[in-house]
Amino acid sequence: SAVISQKPSRDICQRGTSLTIQCQVDSQVTMMFWYRQQPGQSLTLIATANQGSEATYESGFVIDKFPISRPNLTFSTLTVSNMSPEDSSIYLCSVEGRDSEGANYGYTFGSGTRLTVV
Amino acid sequence: QKEVEQNSGPLSVPEGAIASLNCTYSDRGSQSFFWYRQYSGKSPELIMFIYSNGDKEDGRFTAQLNKASQYVSLLIRDSQPSDSATYLCAVGEYGNKLVFGAGTILRVKS
Repeated sequence: SAVISQKPSRDICQRGTSLTIQCQVDSQVTMMFWYRQQPGQSLTLIATANQGSEATYESGFVIDKFPISRPNLTFSTLTVSNMSPEDSSIYLCSVEGRDSEGANYGYTFGSGTRLTVV
Repeated sequence: QKEVEQNSGPLSVPEGAIASLNCTYSDRGSQSFFWYRQYSGKSPELIMFIYSNGDKEDGRFTAQLNKASQYVSLLIRDSQPSDSATYLCAVGEYGNKLVFGAGTILRVKS
């Protein structure tokens, strides 16, 4: 399965500032997914990032708040903008795994970024 | 809104017993189903995926899928204290997205 390097692993940020999270994959992937996991909660999809096109955002998430870049097939960034304490969460990137025949064999997650906004 | 339901637990089982984790989903058209294990402070780790009705076994883990009942389960045989974690059920959606359940906390007591 793909190996994802995500950074930073954690950060403490002042409200009103922005943080950019990076994910690097060791193989080319078509789609990358960004999730949020709020304290004690499950994972919620923020957006899907395709190379060469605008990211597709889920209901409740907007580009101005969570701009995403996808410059190539191995890299993506998520920015959390104008942060408030409610943005304190774990942010995770994920990619779909496919075998040599194109069959899906599951999704792999990065190690996550634990964000605390004070 | 497509939903995935899990009992939050905690589910407590003695060491060596079988742990049974259950999940129901609302979208009858769903085709792919995943079980993840998440240790506290760590990211989710894929344990099993299943696409067809019936059972799929991998070591101590068995995933069971019943599309007619919209039900998927995970059995863990010979449970170990190291299996104590939160288990997340996820269902594949159109666009290759995953919808996650809230997770079931499993505690294996030695």
